[in-house]
Amino acid sequence: AQKVTQAQTEISVVEKEDVTLDCVYETRDTTYYLFWYKQPPSGELVFLIRRNSFDEQNEISGRYSWNFQKSTSSFNFTITASQVVDSAVYFCALSEPYSGAGSYQLTFGKGTKLSVIP
Amino acid sequence: EAGVVQSPRYKIIEKKQPVAFWCNPISGHNTLYWYLQNLGQGPELLIRYENEEAVDDSQLPKDRFSAERLKGVDSTLKIQPAELGDSAVYLCASSQGSGRKTEAFFGQGTRLTVV
Repeated sequence: AQKVTQAQTEISVVEKEDVTLDCVYETRDTTYYLFWYKQPPSGELVFLIRRNSFDEQNEISGRYSWNFQKSTSSFNFTITASQVVDSAVYFCALSEPYSGAGSYQLTFGKGTKLSVIP
Repeated sequence: EAGVVQSPRYKIIEKKQPVAFWCNPISGHNTLYWYLQNLGQGPELLIRYENEEAVDDSQLPKDRFSAERLKGVDSTLKIQPAELGDSAVYLCASSQGSGRKTEAFFGQGTRLTVV
């Protein structure tokens, strides 16, 4: 069975601090994709990044960076110099196969609520 | 480009009443999903459509939930009758295809409160 664990339920940081959101996953697949989504108070999930299991290069996008380590089954997300607008719930998700040839679905973690205090 | 549109945003009903949610996916997206999100949890898939065909509804409680996607575009999710435990956010998402690396685009959701 596929599983995604986000152990941090809530995190509070002061603006401009760096913060890392943890994600640990379990899968028997050798090829898989991991995702991060952001859910602001408005409700919609916003796609942030996708990473495949064969690419362990870290990725940086502005203040966001992701550290994928296959050896520890982790895909952690770091926000540098946090801002109030980063306050949201962040979800890590794993793409897993299900019935139907070539069909996949996203299994989400429970999310981490990040509060950035001005 | 317009995103996934859902309505209503909020709905409060009494238990045992019916309720329906509507979703308009992004133009050109053939795959449509309905997710259930309970408070403090991640979204869980209820049903997935490829065009107008429901290709996976194994997690949809069929005794009270139903869904349709006429003409392979808009979709409606219905609950009849609603129970207190159905209070949650119902999210609609769409994508082009449903492959392993497919990125899904989500609507803002409908927050249902059953009293």
